[in-house]
Amino acid sequence: QVQLVESGGGVVQPGTSLRLSCVASGFTFSRHGFYWVRQAPGKGLEWVAVIWYDGSKKYYVDSVKGRFTISRDNSKNTLYLEMNSLSAEDTAMYYCARDVSYCSLDVWGQGTTVTVYS
Amino acid sequence: QSALTQPPSASGSPGQSVTISCTGTSSDVGGYNYVSWYQQHPGKAPKLMIYEVSKRPSGVPDRFSGSKSGNTASLTVAGLQAEDEADYYCSSYVGSSGVFGGGTKLTVL
Repeated sequence: QVQLVESGGGVVQPGTSLRLSCVASGFTFSRHGFYWVRQAPGKGLEWVAVIWYDGSKKYYVDSVKGRFTISRDNSKNTLYLEMNSLSAEDTAMYYCARDVSYCSLDVWGQGTTVTVYS
Repeated sequence: QSALTQPPSASGSPGQSVTISCTGTSSDVGGYNYVSWYQQHPGKAPKLMIYEVSKRPSGVPDRFSGSKSGNTASLTVAGLQAEDEADYYCSSYVGSSGVFGGGTKLTVL
């Protein structure tokens, strides 16, 4: 079936790095753009990054520009989010999601939790 | 990008209809017919309910409908059911990515 499975979250100290992965199955990965969306505890949803179907374009929310990098490997059906210089403000559940039409996300993973604390 | 504005809460009795608003600007909601709505139950991932202002993905009940006027989009849930109690988020395309609303907690009384 169509699904996305995230991994790579954890508990880390401020200033450190993490790499999240999102493995897709059940559909043609290379035909879709993908987003990372995060949700801080008790808070709303926030766009983090987007990558086009072919990886040619990437966009980030201002708060993560220069620290986070979105990438994809279409041969492995995998989406990534490299996160550097993490701070407490990055603590959240991170979801990967498939774009079906101009930021309409029709398939979501179960999420992976990132906790940054000292 | 500034978040879209949603009321923090909404409520209705079973069988009633409720409408949730989502207000943006001419740079987002008003500028594109790419408004989406998501339902999120506690501890679960969001679920796409409406896309491109008024289209329903396969499997979404027709009790859910969307519309837009100017810079404000709306989600209407007709014939409220207990399982509709959840958080609802709107989002809009903004040229390269997107922006979400702050979310509305829908309570079924």
